[in-house]
This record gives sequence, C-alpha cells and structure tokens, in this order.
Amino acid sequence: GIQVEQSPPDLILQEGANSTLRCNFSDSVNNLQWFHQNPWGQLINLFYIPSGTKQNGRLSATTVATERYSLLYISSSQTTDSGVYFCAVVGRGYSTLTFGKGTMLLVSP
Amino acid sequence: DTAVSQTPKYLVTQMGNDKSIKCEQNLGHDTMYWYKQDSKKFLKIMFSYNNKELIINETVPNRFSPKSPDKAHLNLHINSLELGDSAVYFCASGEGATEKLFFGSGTQLSVL
Repeated sequence: GIQVEQSPPDLILQEGANSTLRCNFSDSVNNLQWFHQNPWGQLINLFYIPSGTKQNGRLSATTVATERYSLLYISSSQTTDSGVYFCAVVGRGYSTLTFGKGTMLLVSP
Repeated sequence: DTAVSQTPKYLVTQMGNDKSIKCEQNLGHDTMYWYKQDSKKFLKIMFSYNNKELIINETVPNRFSPKSPDKAHLNLHINSLELGDSAVYFCASGEGATEKLFFGSGTQLSVL
C-alpha cells in the first residue's frame, strides 16, 4: 500500500511563531487531507487538498502531487493550535484514507 | 447539530465481555467508516460501508462485527473483548474516496 511520512514528528513553538509541516507520500493520490487532533482527542478536518493551494485563516496548505508532497503552514501560532496534525491520502486504486503518523505540535505561551 | 455522533464517549469493561459502539451521521453521506487509533496515535481503517453494504474489511478479527441498519448509522459490536482491543475507536463519514472525511468524537475503550 501507499506510504505516508510526516515530518517533523514533534515540534515545540513559542506563541506567535510560524511553522511548516511536511507530508511525503509514495505514490499517486486522488485524495489528500490534513486533520488536527486537539488535546481532547477530536479530529477536525482542516483541508481537502489533493493538489494546489488553499488558505483558511492562519492556516494554509499546498500539495504538489507530481512531486508527492504536501505542506501545511501555520502562521502566528496560538496555544489552541497544539495537538497532532495528520496527513492522510487515498492512493491510486484504493478507496480509503491512509494516515501518516502525525506531527505533534506544542505551542507554549 | 453534531454531524457525526458516536456513543459512548468512554467504555471501561472486563476482558471477555461484549460491547457495542453506536454511530450516526446527519450529513447525508453514503459512506461510513470505523477507524482504530492505538496508543501511539496511529489511525488505521477497520471497516468501510457504502449505503449499508460492507466495502472494506481490513483484516480485522471476526470478533468485531459492524452493522449498518441504514446509511446514516454504523454500529460496531465487539465480542469477547481482549486487552489488546483497548484503543480509541472513531466513526467517520464521507461521500467517497475523493471527498472530505468527517469524524465523530471517538470512543475510548479500556479493557481491564
């Protein structure tokens, strides 16, 4: 099956800092999504982005499908951004999302 | 209005017991899923249903039996619970392989 690698595995930021999270995948995809799992365990869909660039407030994402990677940008981070960020893809020929291991982000005040 | 709701939120039980987790979605989606999140936060698909029909069963032990009475509901019944079943179980729904996925709030299962 498709492999999904996320980096870095852990990230600690001061409030107000910017960060970039990366997701590499091993094959062509027809679906790529970014999720945030908050400290209470809730999984929130941030972006559906199989290609191109999208922005939502302080968050933006870019997927370069031909080069098999996606980036999630967090600007002016806040403590409420803490949690685990997951990238998930549907590989060609498959029908369900395969998740990466996540990036655990801690934003300190 | 909660889009994907699952109950209970917490489930603590003894080894060998049978338990069920219920899931309902009001998004009108045709496809529903069960995911398992282990202690290292890794999320793995267990089952996928499309309009009440089983589509995917990812080599899950047959002690786990999903049931979909209609396309808005997907319940998970687990027989003869084992210590290794302790995890967080998430229900999700979507319109299919090329659409966004929406998750329920999870059920933390602890088998003692």
